[in-house]
Amino acid sequence: ILNVEQSPQSLHVQEGDSTNFTCSFPSSNFYALHWYRWETAKSPEALFVMTLNGDEKKKGRISATLNTKEGYSYLYIKGSQPEDSATYLCAFEGTGGFKTIFGAGTRLFVKA
Amino acid sequence: NAGVTQTPKFQVLKTGQSMTLQCAQDMNHNSMYWYRQDPGMGLRLIYYSASEGTTDKGEVPNGYNVSRLNKREFSLRLESAAPSQTSVYFCASRDYSTDTQYFGPGTRLTVL
Repeated sequence: ILNVEQSPQSLHVQEGDSTNFTCSFPSSNFYALHWYRWETAKSPEALFVMTLNGDEKKKGRISATLNTKEGYSYLYIKGSQPEDSATYLCAFEGTGGFKTIFGAGTRLFVKA
Repeated sequence: NAGVTQTPKFQVLKTGQSMTLQCAQDMNHNSMYWYRQDPGMGLRLIYYSASEGTTDKGEVPNGYNVSRLNKREFSLRLESAAPSQTSVYFCASRDYSTDTQYFGPGTRLTVL
């Protein structure tokens, strides 16, 4: 059974704080690691797709890194804003199929 | 473009009733997915269709059937609903040029 774990489960920060979350995934048969942002009452939206060990991706104040050899990815948010409040999901995709296994997510609350 | 659409948005069923959740995408994607989302558990894959004419089981297929009617449409059927199937159901399609999944708005299903 493939296991994708995210930590912490939830996080409360003040506006302006920088924060990071962790996604752990199987280190074998790796194809891609996805990050999604999910706002309450909306659908998940893709942030990053990462495929290469050592990959770093950036979109505005949000960035992510990938270590496929040890099976983890970090998502960083610099200078958190209230509009960053959402659940951040990571998803592991292995070789040999189209299945995507999601973690339970990290729920971020940013207080103004 | 509408993207991924799902109907209905909400549904209440009694135990033992059957129903079909509809999903359609207008992005000409080959692959489509059905997930369920339960509190604290993230998104779990029920079934997926890698291409028109094919379907495969995901993590939690028991109690469900699917039909890939054509390239645009992928339906999920509950033959005899159970309270354990109370959940929010999301359909997604995949863009293989970017390895990104696009999600529909979800169907909130309650089984009494």
